[in-house]
Amino acid sequence: SQTIHQWPATLVQPVGSPLSLECTVEGTSNPNLYWYRQAAGRGLQLLFYSVGIGQISSEVPQNLSASRPQDRQFILSSKKLLLSDSGFYLCAWSIGSGSPLHFGNGTRLTVT
Amino acid sequence: GQQLNQSPQSMFIQEGEDVSMNCTSSSIFNTWLWYKQDPGEGPVLLIALYKAGELTSNGRLTAQFGITRKDSFLNISASIPSDVGIYFCAGDPNYGGSQGNLIFGKGTKLSVKP
Repeated sequence: SQTIHQWPATLVQPVGSPLSLECTVEGTSNPNLYWYRQAAGRGLQLLFYSVGIGQISSEVPQNLSASRPQDRQFILSSKKLLLSDSGFYLCAWSIGSGSPLHFGNGTRLTVT
Repeated sequence: GQQLNQSPQSMFIQEGEDVSMNCTSSSIFNTWLWYKQDPGEGPVLLIALYKAGELTSNGRLTAQFGITRKDSFLNISASIPSDVGIYFCAGDPNYGGSQGNLIFGKGTKLSVKP
């Protein structure tokens, strides 16, 4: 069966510091991969998605970037965090466009 | 862009009550999905609907894909305390501009009546 791992679970970082969140999927090949941000426990905002290695699409221009160095690995990064980057970050995968997403357990990021 | 209107935004439940929530759109969707999110965790898929008119159950949960393909509802019968959380609808819109990405509603927050 497929599993998705996302870490760390929580992170407190100072403003201006770099960020690296990692997500890996097991049990499937060539999944679509996604990064979402959720503010205040409500709506889900799609940040990035990838349909293959090295292919990244950005939905919202911002201080973050994503990379997919391997088929089942998706990384969310920032060179310099802003206070507004605080939030709950969710990684997800699907077997293809329009298919149900399966989410990781999220990373709670607090920028101080 | 495409939007899903999910209602109600929040509701209070008393154990044993039935709960109903829905999502509507002005445009057609190919797929409707319902997720539940517990505090501090990622959303979990509850029900997936792929065909107009489809009615699907998962335990005490029942969801339907509207005939017009523009709406869906989720019912929870005989609610229990562990039903609290945020419920999201999501849909696969029937147009190419979305690049196949799902559209999410803003969520319905279920809480226990004080």
